[in-house]
Amino acid sequence: GAVVSQHPSRVICKSGTSVKIECRSLDFQATTMFWYRQFPKKSLMLMATSNEGSKATYEQGVEKDKFLINHASLTLSTLTVTSAHPEDSSFYICSARSGYGAGLNTEAFFGQGTRLTVV
Amino acid sequence: AQTVTQSQPEMSVQEAETVTLSCTYDTSENNYYLFWYKQPPSRQMILVIRQEAYKQQNATENRFSVNFQKAAKSFSLKISDSQLGDTAMYFCAFGTSGTYKYIFGTGTRLKVLA
Repeated sequence: GAVVSQHPSRVICKSGTSVKIECRSLDFQATTMFWYRQFPKKSLMLMATSNEGSKATYEQGVEKDKFLINHASLTLSTLTVTSAHPEDSSFYICSARSGYGAGLNTEAFFGQGTRLTVV
Repeated sequence: AQTVTQSQPEMSVQEAETVTLSCTYDTSENNYYLFWYKQPPSRQMILVIRQEAYKQQNATENRFSVNFQKAAKSFSLKISDSQLGDTAMYFCAFGTSGTYKYIFGTGTRLKVLA
């Protein structure tokens, strides 16, 4: 299947700083990328949908000013956690799908995730 | 709004045996897809199998098969000849063709015993 690379895989940052997570589709053009958050032993919660060249659509309860999403190209979306707090510590996963194909039958491919620890 | 429910937080199965993981969902959509994803300790999400709602035939992928009951909104995963490498979290997911967003269940932790 197609490859989605997420970087970094682990990051530790100090409270109050910002951290950027990258999600790249390596061998396909991703018109849509999704950002999920996963708490320990919990399910994946969709945070936002990122469409190339337009503003991200955030799910209810997700602070768009805190979790900045940029999808500037067909192969890269970034999630920036601004003014990070310890409660932002979590596992963040991106997925990407190609817009070229029939509907949702085009599979969404997941990155390997980023473990963020805010100290 | 769509919901996905996995009622089995944890399950175990002996190696080479068969196990079935349950999933139910709720939706008013008519055109949608259902997925089972595996998340091993590495946390990488791996697609196990997918089912298009408009297809009556149950999907199969080698040792993995589903029992899709559309009227009952049920989508169970059967793993045959379980292997130690099948030990992982398994998530059931729902996706609509309009939004392309996936809604995940809470997961079932499967442990295959030697």
